[in-house]
Amino acid sequence: AQSVTQPDIHITVSEGASLELRCNYSYGATPYLFWYVQSPGQGLQLLLKYFSGDTLVQGIKGFEAEFKRSQSSFNLRKPSVHWSDAAEYFCAVGALLTGGGNKLTFGTGTQLKVEL
Amino acid sequence: DAGITQSPRHKVTETGTPVTLRCHQTENHRYMYWYRQDPGHGLRLIHYSYGVKDTDKGEVSDGYSVSRSKTEDFLLTLESATSSQTSVYFCAISESTSYEQYFGPGTRLTVT
Repeated sequence: AQSVTQPDIHITVSEGASLELRCNYSYGATPYLFWYVQSPGQGLQLLLKYFSGDTLVQGIKGFEAEFKRSQSSFNLRKPSVHWSDAAEYFCAVGALLTGGGNKLTFGTGTQLKVEL
Repeated sequence: DAGITQSPRHKVTETGTPVTLRCHQTENHRYMYWYRQDPGHGLRLIHYSYGVKDTDKGEVSDGYSVSRSKTEDFLLTLESATSSQTSVYFCAISESTSYEQYFGPGTRLTVT
């Protein structure tokens, strides 16, 4: 069964500083990987996804993530954080379901705080 | 943003009562999902649907049932609500040709 580990529960960074959120996954085949962001009281918004090909993927809001198969990692990065980036971030791995569709297994999330 | 609405957005109910949550989409996507979100657990799949009248269980399906009589609507029913079902419930959709899921705004359910 697949699993996702986000080792950092809380991270605090200063506005303008760089950011890296860690994600490690466990999956037997080629993974489908995702990062979502959730603001308080809101649903989840897709930041970026990796299915195949280039291991460095670009997403919305200036985020990027790098897939490293040898490390089973899919870390999220941003070169300069803005105060509006404060939110909770979830990494997820997808697996095909019987009948089609895709089950997402989520990590427990990393809460990002941005200091002004 | 994907056209997904959930109703109600907030609900307080008593233990033992039935509760139905509704997810409605305007995207004509084939696949629909129900997740629950709890602190320390991330989101976990309850049930999913791969077409009208076609549904299957996820990893935390005990105590829940679902129905999908139209492409656009996916209902989640708690037959007899328990306090352990206090949670935030999210509906998600995806289309046949891709794997990413788009999420609704969520329903906060409190069982007293």
